[in-house]
Amino acid sequence: ILNVEQSPQSLHVQEGDSTNFTCSFPSSNFYALHWYRWETAKSPEALFVMTLNGDEKKKGRISATLNTKEGYSYLYIKGSQPEDSATYLCALNTGGFKTIFGAGTRLFVKA
Amino acid sequence: DSGVTQTPKHLITATGQRVTLRCSPRSGDLSVYWYQQSLDQGLQFLIQYYNGEERAKGNILERFSAQQFPDLHSELNLSSLELGDSALYFCASSGRGESTDTQYFGPGTRLTVL
Repeated sequence: ILNVEQSPQSLHVQEGDSTNFTCSFPSSNFYALHWYRWETAKSPEALFVMTLNGDEKKKGRISATLNTKEGYSYLYIKGSQPEDSATYLCALNTGGFKTIFGAGTRLFVKA
Repeated sequence: DSGVTQTPKHLITATGQRVTLRCSPRSGDLSVYWYQQSLDQGLQFLIQYYNGEERAKGNILERFSAQQFPDLHSELNLSSLELGDSALYFCASSGRGESTDTQYFGPGTRLTVL
């Protein structure tokens, strides 16, 4: 059974702190990796799709890197703001069109 | 607003019953995905359709079925409902249904089985 692991499970930071979290996956089953941001009482919103080893993507203060050889991706948030509080999900596509989601990292940013 | 609509927003029913959840994809999107999120679990992929045809199947129970119609809307049918089927059901859509497509999620249907 393929497993996508995210760590930490939750994270509490102060406004202005920079933070990062990890998504780990079996490197032999990689086709694409997606990052989503999921605010409470809303639906998941796509942040990045990453396909190539060494990929780096950026959207405002949020960026992500990908290492397909060792099977991990990092999501970074620079200068966290309270509105960044959400669950950040990564999802692995294995090429067979199936999507496997990690359990998410729950970020709390205190003002 | 992602452009994906789901109805109903909430559904309360009893064990043993059957319900239908409906999803309309974003304009122009050909692929629809269904996901389940239970209290104690993360998002679980159920099934994907592309232009009316089933493309991929995930952890979908035999009591559940889905279809995508010619107008591209999709329905998820849940039958012989059990307490454990209580969950938030999301539909998402994407343009081509490829693994690298961005998926746009609807607001979800919250199902409560009593």
